[in-house]
Amino acid sequence: KAGVTQTPRYLIKTRGQQVTLSCSPISGHRSVSWYQQTPGQGLQFLFEYFSETQRNKGNFPGRFSGRQFSNSRSEMNVSTLELGDSALYLCASSLTGVNQPQHFGDGTRLSIL
Amino acid sequence: AQKVTQAQTEISVVEKEDVTLDCVYETRDTTYYLFWYKQPPSGELVFLIRRNSFDEQNEISGRYSWNFQKSTSSFNFTITASQVVDSAVYFCALTPYSGAGSYQLTFGKGTKLSVIP
Repeated sequence: KAGVTQTPRYLIKTRGQQVTLSCSPISGHRSVSWYQQTPGQGLQFLFEYFSETQRNKGNFPGRFSGRQFSNSRSEMNVSTLELGDSALYLCASSLTGVNQPQHFGDGTRLSIL
Repeated sequence: AQKVTQAQTEISVVEKEDVTLDCVYETRDTTYYLFWYKQPPSGELVFLIRRNSFDEQNEISGRYSWNFQKSTSSFNFTITASQVVDSAVYFCALTPYSGAGSYQLTFGKGTKLSVIP
């Protein structure tokens, strides 16, 4: 069974640009969540999608957005990038939600210059 | 608001020693789930255990055991006879169970465990 796949693995952007990250969940998993991991703030919940609907959102500015497609694949977009957005972005999937064991991808390492 | 505190930032032990990782949480919800995840140097978080707030039974899985005490809002994790492969960052996490299908997972800052051969 294939795991959670995140692409790309690494990204380098400059301030003001925008970026789109992709996540393919485990087959059959309908819940996809996104997390930001930084040395200072640790792991922070960004949002969760279930059946193409954003079900919950963490405390992040509106520059962070996402969507989920009918095949449960999800994308996360960050607009007007800031230096502080440099982080490891992790995607996780589960059958129905974050209250279940989640399977995480390897993450996308985003660096802002 | 909910909060998870892992006071131990880094722990080093010699192989075969026992080690306990502490987790203290705060929540106003009466029903919630607690988790432990492991993040090895490779980076991918791995689920270890889930416990709901109604179940205070301790759990043992091989060399791993978990002690959940609602009275002290703690969910501690013990590794017995540690091995080098246990070296990782361990995260404790909490989510309320609202029943409405809407949840948010809050992680602690993590404890980095180094097992020295």
